[in-house]
Amino acid sequence: LAKTTQPISMDSYEGQEVNITCSHNNIATNDYITWYQQFPSQGPRFIIQGYKTKVTNEVASLFIPADRKSSTLSLPRVSLSDTAVYYCLVGDIRGNYQLIWGAGTKLIIKP
Amino acid sequence: DAMVIQNPRYQVTQFGKPVTLSCSQTLNHNVMYWYQQKSSQAPKLLFHYYDKDFNNEADTPDNFQSRRPNTSFCFLDIRSPGLGDAAMYLCATSRGDKETQYFGPGTRLLVL
Repeated sequence: LAKTTQPISMDSYEGQEVNITCSHNNIATNDYITWYQQFPSQGPRFIIQGYKTKVTNEVASLFIPADRKSSTLSLPRVSLSDTAVYYCLVGDIRGNYQLIWGAGTKLIIKP
Repeated sequence: DAMVIQNPRYQVTQFGKPVTLSCSQTLNHNVMYWYQQKSSQAPKLLFHYYDKDFNNEADTPDNFQSRRPNTSFCFLDIRSPGLGDAAMYLCATSRGDKETQYFGPGTRLLVL
């Protein structure tokens, strides 16, 4: 069972780059790594997904080392509106079905 | 816009009184999920449907049941709600395995 571990909270300032790392030592071969953002009283929202190496989209980058035992979500030039909880999710609903959510990282962006 | 809709947004029920939460989607996705989320915790998957195939998480209490009468709708039935079942219930969909999940806004359940 791929347990995911991420920091409980992080602080940063507007305009900075923020990196949030998730550990998933027992990740299975078929597992993908997905990151979600959640604001209070809303459902989680997809940020980015990857399997290995680096993935980049318009809002974030995801770095995954060769052993895939961790992943790092990178948010470039954060703003106050990026204050939210960020979840790392590891899994695959087919085969050995498992979806393992991290406990979430509460990110607070300060002016 | 294509989306995941949950009704109602807030539901109050009495201890032991059955309650049904509903979810609908206009995305035509194969997979629909139900999650329970308590304050300051990650979403906890209760079960999911892949098309008509129902998959129950091992630790989902028998008190929780689900129905998916067609592709667009999925229901969560709580047969005898206890105080510990008060939570946000999230519905999500995905096109298939390994695909992004799209979440609804959630239904907050209060048990009196």
